[in-house]
Amino acid sequence: QKEVEQNSGPLSVPEGAIASLNCTYSDRGSQSFFWYRQYSGKSPELIMFIYSNGDKEDGRFTAQLNKASQYVSLLIRDSQPSDSATYLCAVKLDSNYQLIWGAGTKLIIKP
Amino acid sequence: ETGVTQTPRHLVMGMTNKKSLKCEQHLGHNAMYWYKQSAKKPLELMFVYSLEERVENNSVPSRFSPECPNSSHLFLHLHTLQPEDSALYLCASSQDPTSAEQYFGPGTRLTVT
Repeated sequence: QKEVEQNSGPLSVPEGAIASLNCTYSDRGSQSFFWYRQYSGKSPELIMFIYSNGDKEDGRFTAQLNKASQYVSLLIRDSQPSDSATYLCAVKLDSNYQLIWGAGTKLIIKP
Repeated sequence: ETGVTQTPRHLVMGMTNKKSLKCEQHLGHNAMYWYKQSAKKPLELMFVYSLEERVENNSVPSRFSPECPNSSHLFLHLHTLQPEDSALYLCASSQDPTSAEQYFGPGTRLTVT
């Protein structure tokens, strides 16, 4: 059973601090890793993807991948109340069409 | 209209009703998806279409019947649903079925009474 695990939260972070979201996956054949953000009552939107070990930065967001330990994380610097949302981790095997999704971590940024 | 649209946004139906969900994408993509999202659970992929051909069917009950008449439109026909089918149904599209950069519609909130 291929699984993606996330802490459901809520994770509460003060405004301006770094929010750290983590995700672990079970299948070592996983090749691509994605972070989607879902605001309450809205649909998911892609914010970051990473394919190689290490860090990938995009503005205030950094995705980190460690294939040996089978985890991927998302760091949000200078957290803003508008970052409050549920963050979904998704993993893809190159061998098929499917994304394997985590249940998401709810993030709350406190002003 | 831009992006991915879905209608209706909300639907309440009895277990003996027949209804259809509609999805339209305006992105020129070749792949379309139906997902089910229940509270506190991971997104469940139901169906994948590539250029109007179904390429993935994840053991979805036959009371859910998809239809893809062209690469821009996707339907989900519903009949004799159960209360546990109440959920948010999301449509998504991507450039092709191997792409994980999926663009989602706003969803249809379905309640089965």
